[in-house]
Amino acid sequence: GAVVSQHPSRVICKSGTSVKIECRSLDFQATTMFWYRQFPKQSLMLMATSNEGSKATYEQGVEKDKFLINHASLTLSTLTVTSAHPEDSSFYICGGQADQETQYFGPGTRLLVL
Amino acid sequence: GENVEQHPSTLSVQEGDSAVIKCTYSDSASNYFPWYKQELGKRPQLIIDIRSNVGEKKDQRIAVTLNKTAKHFSLHITETQPEDSAVYFCAGHTGRRALTFGSGTRLQVQP
Repeated sequence: GAVVSQHPSRVICKSGTSVKIECRSLDFQATTMFWYRQFPKQSLMLMATSNEGSKATYEQGVEKDKFLINHASLTLSTLTVTSAHPEDSSFYICGGQADQETQYFGPGTRLLVL
Repeated sequence: GENVEQHPSTLSVQEGDSAVIKCTYSDSASNYFPWYKQELGKRPQLIIDIRSNVGEKKDQRIAVTLNKTAKHFSLHITETQPEDSAVYFCAGHTGRRALTFGSGTRLQVQP
């Protein structure tokens, strides 16, 4: 299957700082990338849909000014958590869509905000 | 939008037995249904998928069935092994949109 990388794999930061997470499709062009958040023992919840060259579409309840998404190329999307707070601590996973249906996930980023 | 419900939330079986996980979906336009396996702290891994023009698909010990009329689909794992222990997620999908995940099933295979 297609390969998606994600960096960093783990980050610990102080409350109020910003954290950038990168998601790359290594062997395919992902015109669409999805960002999910997963809290412990819960399912993946879609945060936003990112299309290359256009503004991201955010799900209801997700603050677009807090979770900045940039999809500048067909292989790179970034998620920046601005002014992070402890309640933002979670497992963030990106998914790249290779064809019309199949999504391949990055390894995830575990964010801990102190 | 799509709503996917998954049952059971936990499932414990003896090694060698079969395991079945069921999902229902709400959007009749959904046409793609993948199943993911997620081990602790790792990304979800696609294990099998089925499209709406097919009623059943099998890959070794894993099979998925789809009933479009009833809007439900199921994952069947035969001859379970301890390494099958993980959380399994079903999902529904319509076109080039994000997946809607079920709530997950924690499968425990007892040796």
